[in-house]
Amino acid sequence: DAGVIQSPRHEVTEMGQEVTLRCKPISGHNSLFWYRQTMMRGLELLIYFNNNVPIDDSGMPEDRFSAKMPNASFSTLKIQPSEPRDSAVYFCASSPSGTSYNEQFFGPGTRLTVL
Amino acid sequence: GDSVTQMEGPVTLSEEACLTINCTYTATGYPSLFWYVQYPGEGLQLLLKATKADDKGSNKGFEATYRKETTSFHLEKGSVQVSDSAVYFCALNNAGNMLTFGGGTRLMVKP
Repeated sequence: DAGVIQSPRHEVTEMGQEVTLRCKPISGHNSLFWYRQTMMRGLELLIYFNNNVPIDDSGMPEDRFSAKMPNASFSTLKIQPSEPRDSAVYFCASSPSGTSYNEQFFGPGTRLTVL
Repeated sequence: GDSVTQMEGPVTLSEEACLTINCTYTATGYPSLFWYVQYPGEGLQLLLKATKADDKGSNKGFEATYRKETTSFHLEKGSVQVSDSAVYFCALNNAGNMLTFGGGTRLMVKP
């Protein structure tokens, strides 16, 4: 299995531009998570999907952030417009759902720099 | 709500030293407990887990025991290597799919 795939691995953009991050979860996994990691705030859960439906988006910072999961094999996290404070590493993770002992499998992350 | 507290780093050790990273949790019910490791430039990966009280998780020489009476899940290794340098995260999953993470502890092992 290829694991969780994220693209791009690095993104540099200017303030005000739209940014789209992509994730392909592990085949057969029902749950998908988007996280943000910064030195100041550590690891934060942004949003969680189960069977393609958003279950908890309480971690999404503000209306500039949106996430979609149009099918079981693809998800996007969009920031529009981007701001310098959005600079972080964004991780996607997937998990087989159903029990509390299932681990989450993380992708390699997308390092976003907003100038 | 659920929470995980782990010792702040960085922890700096010499090669072959003993390691303990403390982790305590607050949760209702019977959560599963995890240790994740993040090597530089990579995503988190599962190091070990325990799903019920008194279980011991182990992997790559690391181990942790689920202690319900002290609500703890301390990570230990008898002899660390330079290649163990990474950030270690303690986490719990309480009857759902969402993980609650601790703040992470950076370990630096010097030759």
